[in-house]
Amino acid sequence: DAKTTQPPSMDCAEGRAANLPCNHSTISGNEYVYWYRQIHSQGPQYIIHGLKNNETNEMASLIITEDRKSSTLILPHATLRDTAVYYCIVRVSGAGSYQLTFGKGTKLSVIP
Amino acid sequence: NAGVTQTPKFRILKIGQSMTLQCTQDMNHNYMYWYRQDPGMGLKLIYYSVGAGITDKGEVPNGYNVSRSTTEDFPLRLELAAPSQTSVYFCASSYLAGQWDEQFFGPGTRLTVL
Repeated sequence: DAKTTQPPSMDCAEGRAANLPCNHSTISGNEYVYWYRQIHSQGPQYIIHGLKNNETNEMASLIITEDRKSSTLILPHATLRDTAVYYCIVRVSGAGSYQLTFGKGTKLSVIP
Repeated sequence: NAGVTQTPKFRILKIGQSMTLQCTQDMNHNYMYWYRQDPGMGLKLIYYSVGAGITDKGEVPNGYNVSRSTTEDFPLRLELAAPSQTSVYFCASSYLAGQWDEQFFGPGTRLTVL
């Protein structure tokens, strides 16, 4: 799986949009971009994933650049409960691909 | 649904002792996983299973054993505990449907080996 690069930490004001960047310059054509988050001491939680089109769900939006070398996770209206470590993971999806390779992620602090 | 449950939540072991970490899921998922997370680090895969009776090694399998006799349960066995196994252990499960294979994680077991 390709490696990812994320800033170690970010702050965001409560109610504002949180934009978390991720670089994955060596991504292959069949690799998806996944985002998980881990709220303090809890198990990781899936947020969203995409291949090349932008994706949106009830939690977040995922913007993938046209060359697929980077992406941004957007939390549209951050709340204090969004304070967590956010992991960007690039992986082949489907049968034969079982491992999620977690880096150190970005620690997002939402500030009142 | 309870999702993925793990027991115990906390455990302290002495060096050389053995224990089994329990993991159960009630979502009828075919895939199950064990990860460990050391302080300040990301998760690393220990073992995984693609169905009952089928298991395989992940990135860091040494010192651990697993079995999968049912779809629901995937216990992790530690033999001869060592301080290097002090970590938080997470169990996860997923159901592969095309390219959709979101992993659901349990709350974790915090293990200290002294």
